Amino acid sequence: DIQMTQSPSSLSASVGDRITITCRASQSIRAYLNWYQGKPGEAPNLLIYAASSLRRGVPSRFSGSGSGTDFTLTISRLQPEDFAIYYCQQSFSSPPTFGQGTKVEI
Amino acid sequence: EVQLVESGGGLVQPGRSLRLSCAASGFTFNNYAMHWVRQAPGKGLEWVSGIGVSGHNQGYADSVKGRFTISRDNAKNSLYLQMNSLRPEDSAYYYCGKDMSGDFLLFGVDVWGQGVLVTVSS
Repeated sequence: DIQMTQSPSSLSASVGDRITITCRASQSIRAYLNWYQGKPGEAPNLLIYAASSLRRGVPSRFSGSGSGTDFTLTISRLQPEDFAIYYCQQSFSSPPTFGQGTKVEI
Repeated sequence: EVQLVESGGGLVQPGRSLRLSCAASGFTFNNYAMHWVRQAPGKGLEWVSGIGVSGHNQGYADSVKGRFTISRDNAKNSLYLQMNSLRPEDSAYYYCGKDMSGDFLLFGVDVWGQGVLVTVSS
């Protein structure tokens, strides 16, 4: 199975900050990488698919980049509603594994 | 409105079985792959199983392979997860999810149900 490793596991930031979360795959997954936002008591929300494609309706302050084994999710100007846990997921091979999550705290 | 509604969760003893269902509405069900993803309380996301549009293409996490079976009924716009030989570590919220494509190994899950809790305990 492909292992997905996110860093950092958690980070503290302020409203208006720019933050970057990294996701590394244990082997090349080309651009088959998705990013989700998770909040307590809610179902996850897809933000980015195919490494850099912004899902319709997701604010443009979210962006993704990378290919091969190294990927990043960037939030350009944190908003109060962005404090959540972010997960990457590879969809290159079965099982489509998730990273362990990155908690973004105030 | 695109909607997924899970049912069938509950408390079950170790070794017993449970069948989850997911009713889909608001989209052409037989055009999209579907998934089950679980999340134990306070833990991260774990992909459980996925199925392609015809039902023949299926995948399972190693942790459930041989115990869980995914299926779909396109005529009923429904997804199922038959869970056998349940273990305490299977306890989690189980989410039904719609893929963006007809293949569960292409893009992400863009629509999620509200989740159903499965508790495996004696």
